[in-house]
Parts: sequence; structure tokens; C-alpha cells
Amino acid sequence: AAGVIQSPRHLIKEKRETATLKCYPIPRHDTVYWYQQGPGQDPQFLISFYEKMQSDKGSIPDRFSAQQFSDYHSELNMSSLELGDSALYFCASSLAGTFQETQYFGPGTRLLVL
Amino acid sequence: AQTVTQSQPEMSVQEAETVTLSCTYDTSESDYYLFWYKQPPSRQMILVIRQEAYKQQNATENRFSVNFQKAAKSFSLKISDSQLGDAAMYFCAYRGRYNQGGKLIFGQGTELSVKP
Repeated sequence: AAGVIQSPRHLIKEKRETATLKCYPIPRHDTVYWYQQGPGQDPQFLISFYEKMQSDKGSIPDRFSAQQFSDYHSELNMSSLELGDSALYFCASSLAGTFQETQYFGPGTRLLVL
Repeated sequence: AQTVTQSQPEMSVQEAETVTLSCTYDTSESDYYLFWYKQPPSRQMILVIRQEAYKQQNATENRFSVNFQKAAKSFSLKISDSQLGDAAMYFCAYRGRYNQGGKLIFGQGTELSVKP
């Protein structure tokens, strides 16, 4: 079965640079979520989209923005990167109105800020 | 605000034996979902099992089962016949049923090691 695709899988950036993370949900899934997992921590919710509209927002810095496109893929844009942004970034997708709207996670993008 | 607590940072089990991971949560919502996710060294988040709060019957998935105690706000995971491949970080997660945006709230995780 098709899974959530994230690209790139690894990313190395310098401080103050910009990064764009991409997420391709499971086919037919209409909801996308972004999570950030720091070293030794649990995943923290950043933002979610349903049918291309932002549906919820968590502890996402103002330097970050995201959107969902007409084909349901999503991009997380991160500007003025800081050392503390180094983390594993997960995208998850679900289909609204289905079985507990279970979220299925992608493999994550490992971002390292130097 | 909802919170999820896993009070066991680390657990260990002998291969083929049974282990139970604990999870408690706090919420004022009456309807919600609970999940256990597994994160192996690859750091992929893999769904293990899920439970609807309005269902009294405990969920089971092969060797994995839960003990859901709604009044006590407890949601423990039992792994039977433990295998080496079960070694991973396990996260308990909560989602309000009517939570627009559907964010998951995770516990701190329990690192499970399996001894051969």
C-alpha cells in the first residue's frame, strides 16, 4: 500500500538559511499534519490542513509557514533557521470521516542546522 | 488542555514473555481516540493499535492488546510473546474526537528493550 512520502529525507542547512520540506499524503487522504520531534523528545504538533485550508495550529514559530496544494501535497517553509530547529520533521495524513481518522506518518525529514 | 503521561521511561522484557506499558491521560472531553505508536531505531512512526473511547471493548491486534479504563483515564499496552523486533520507543497518543485539526498529543515515550 502507498504510504506518506516526504522529501528530502535529510537536509543540512546553515543558520539563517531557508528550508522547504515537502509531503505527499497517501492517495485520497485530504488532511495533512506536520510534527516536529527534537532529540529524545516526543513529536510536537505544528500545523494541520484539511482540504487546503489550515485547520489547526500548534507551537509553530512565526518563521515557519505551510500550505496544502490542490493535489493535497503540503510544504513546510522554514526561514531564518536557528540551531534549535534541528529536528526530525514528520508529515502525517488521514482521511476525514474514516476510522478514527487515523494518522499515518511519513518517514520524516531530518534537518540539521549548522 | 489535554495531557498524556507515560511514567516508565524504560522497560525491559525477555524474549517470548509479556510486558505492559503504562499510559495515563487527562481530558475534559467525553469522546476521543487513543493510540499507541511504535518508533524503532529508524525513527519511523508506526501505528500499533487504536481505541475509541466510546467502545468498552479493549482493542486487540495480534500480539498487542490494550487495557482501557475510561474512568481511571488509563490506557496500557500489553505485548505478548515479545519478539526482538518489538524493541523500540513506544508513544501513547490522544486525539479529541471533535478536535478540529485533529492533532495528536503524545506522551513522553517508553523505551522498550527485548532481551534474547
